[in-house]
Amino acid sequence: KAGVTQTPRYLIKTRGQQVTLSCSPISGHRSVSWYQQTPGQGLQFLFEYFSETQRNKGNFPGRFSGRQFSNSRSEMNVSTLELGDSALYLCASSRDRADYEQYFGPGTRLTVT
Amino acid sequence: GESVGLHLPTLSVQEGDNSIINCAYSNSASDYFIWYKQESGKGPQFIIDIRSNMDKRQGQRVTVLLNKTVKHLSLQIAATQPGDSAVYFCAENPYTGRRALTFGSGTRLQVQP
Repeated sequence: KAGVTQTPRYLIKTRGQQVTLSCSPISGHRSVSWYQQTPGQGLQFLFEYFSETQRNKGNFPGRFSGRQFSNSRSEMNVSTLELGDSALYLCASSRDRADYEQYFGPGTRLTVT
Repeated sequence: GESVGLHLPTLSVQEGDNSIINCAYSNSASDYFIWYKQESGKGPQFIIDIRSNMDKRQGQRVTVLLNKTVKHLSLQIAATQPGDSAVYFCAENPYTGRRALTFGSGTRLQVQP
């Protein structure tokens, strides 16, 4: 069974631009969560999607948004990029809302210049 | 998926020895705990989990111990191998029914051959 896949793996953007990252969960998994990993803040929860609805949101500004499609694939968007948004963005999937085990993808490394 | 730049506590052990990685969690209401291993260039990899109604759980070469009285979690790795070298994160799920893991800052395990 294929794992969580994320595209692209690497991105370089400039301040003020926007970016969209994609995540395909493990086949059969319906819940997708996004995390940001930085050297200073570590791993921080962004949001969780289930059945195309955002269920939980972490403490991030409104510039960070996401969505989930009917096939459980998810995208996250960051608008008006800032230098501090440079990070590894990780997607994790779990089978359903009653299943706490989360499996992570390899991440998308975003660099904002 | 690397944690380069993080000033992580480092545990250095000899190959074949047992390793113990400790973690203090913050929320006494957390009902689920999980250990992840992150190798350079990869996303976090699930190792083992434990629910709050348990004190101990064993996997293949790994054991997780939970002490709710002092809010402490530990991961024991038996017969540590060079392939175990990585950064290890503990995470707690503070919100029942939600998937919003709160991660610790991580410990770097270095296995000396």
